[in-house]
Amino acid sequence: GESVGLHLPTLSVQEGDNSIINCAYSNSASDYFIWYKQESGKGPQFIIDIRSNMDKRQGQRVTVLLNKTVKHLSLQIAATQPGDSAVYFCAETHSGGSQGNLIFGKGTKLSVKP
Amino acid sequence: GAVVSQHPSWVICKSGTSVKIECRSLDFQATTMFWYRQFPKQSLMLMATSNEGSKATYEQGVEKDKFLINHASLTLSTLTVTSAHPEDSSFYICSAISPLAGGLGVFGPGTRLTVL
Repeated sequence: GESVGLHLPTLSVQEGDNSIINCAYSNSASDYFIWYKQESGKGPQFIIDIRSNMDKRQGQRVTVLLNKTVKHLSLQIAATQPGDSAVYFCAETHSGGSQGNLIFGKGTKLSVKP
Repeated sequence: GAVVSQHPSWVICKSGTSVKIECRSLDFQATTMFWYRQFPKQSLMLMATSNEGSKATYEQGVEKDKFLINHASLTLSTLTVTSAHPEDSSFYICSAISPLAGGLGVFGPGTRLTVL
């Protein structure tokens, strides 16, 4: 589905705490998922990806969990830092692993309090 | 590696005029580029897929005669907003498929268009 909305959900965390950002995706045929970070006035920045044959993938300070049963994706950020403050989007595609046609989720604004 | 630039970064124009936005892949060749539009506090919406040497593929609801896309070289795609109106004011972002990024799309920094 397309995302529409007049405001973004906001997650506010204390510096040093862990953050969990959730995303519900729409297409059960999607087989590739990506998390992006977007700072104000900039383009999206790749964080981490996961294919549908996996349920968990870890990067540096970030972990993505995929639950295909309920079409749910989450991004966990460990020891959240002020520099993590941004809007986070999940994106899905079903074109076999390439960015054929990305469908973006609504986005969540992460605010980190020092 | 895998850097995409956009020019201009922001532009203000009068209603009725046309505006051209450039998307360049700086250190790789991209046969496929994508154009997205993002309204304030909203998500990115794919507008069209730009293929080098052929016509662009537009998403449903996007007017191809209003948003002209030209992908004349392997490093440059342009989006021209023709007869711009205030409702075209938005953040336009391109991405380019990069072999340097494992076939992922690399996003440009975006162009803020304001139509008065």
